[in-house]
Amino acid sequence: DADVTQTPRNRITKTGKRIMLECSQTKGHDRMYWYRQDPGLGLQLIYYSFDVKDINKGEISDGYSVSRQAQAKFSLSLESAIPNQTALYFCATSDGVTGTDTQYFGPGTRLTVL
Amino acid sequence: LAKTTQPISMDSYEGQEVNITCSHNNIATNDYITWYQQFPSQGPRFIIQGYKTKVTNEVASLFIPADRKSSTLSLPRVSLSDTAVYYCLARWAGNMLTFGGGTRLMVKP
Repeated sequence: DADVTQTPRNRITKTGKRIMLECSQTKGHDRMYWYRQDPGLGLQLIYYSFDVKDINKGEISDGYSVSRQAQAKFSLSLESAIPNQTALYFCATSDGVTGTDTQYFGPGTRLTVL
Repeated sequence: LAKTTQPISMDSYEGQEVNITCSHNNIATNDYITWYQQFPSQGPRFIIQGYKTKVTNEVASLFIPADRKSSTLSLPRVSLSDTAVYYCLARWAGNMLTFGGGTRLMVKP
């Protein structure tokens, strides 16, 4: 969805490096999410934010941190990358409408940690 | 976290109807059931959403029984381009939505 953008789209880094993945949205949604997907597997929720002052851990938050700089921006950081963090990372937004709360995903960032 | 349960994979042929069933035994009272489609190396894309009975759009139909403990996504007359992973999402009271492993649909010519 072009309304949700992620940068970079691809990144190769080395073990121990600090990495930041950025997500921006123009949908005007309050809710934003970061997911991780390993090859052949489903999506796992890392962190989510229901508004600028609200940050929550998901299923697999260890080794990750996030920053919600504004309603439209949500960044994911790997403070010291390790090889098993090699994965496809997706950002998503949702409108928070009670009951429905449909999520809209960005194109993904492919991260390789050597 | 509680998750939905759906078959790991399914095979079909072009032109056939495909039905994928998902179980969500303890869905939150006010929440809808949502299905997403994901192609390789792309983010999941919303397909259809419903609360109960039947919902139909230009892509699929969704059947939800009265007890809402399961739902069935129906794809009419599939084509090769429908080969993808399909995820069923539902929320349990007090929990976040979670994606399970999804159902990998392979459509053959």
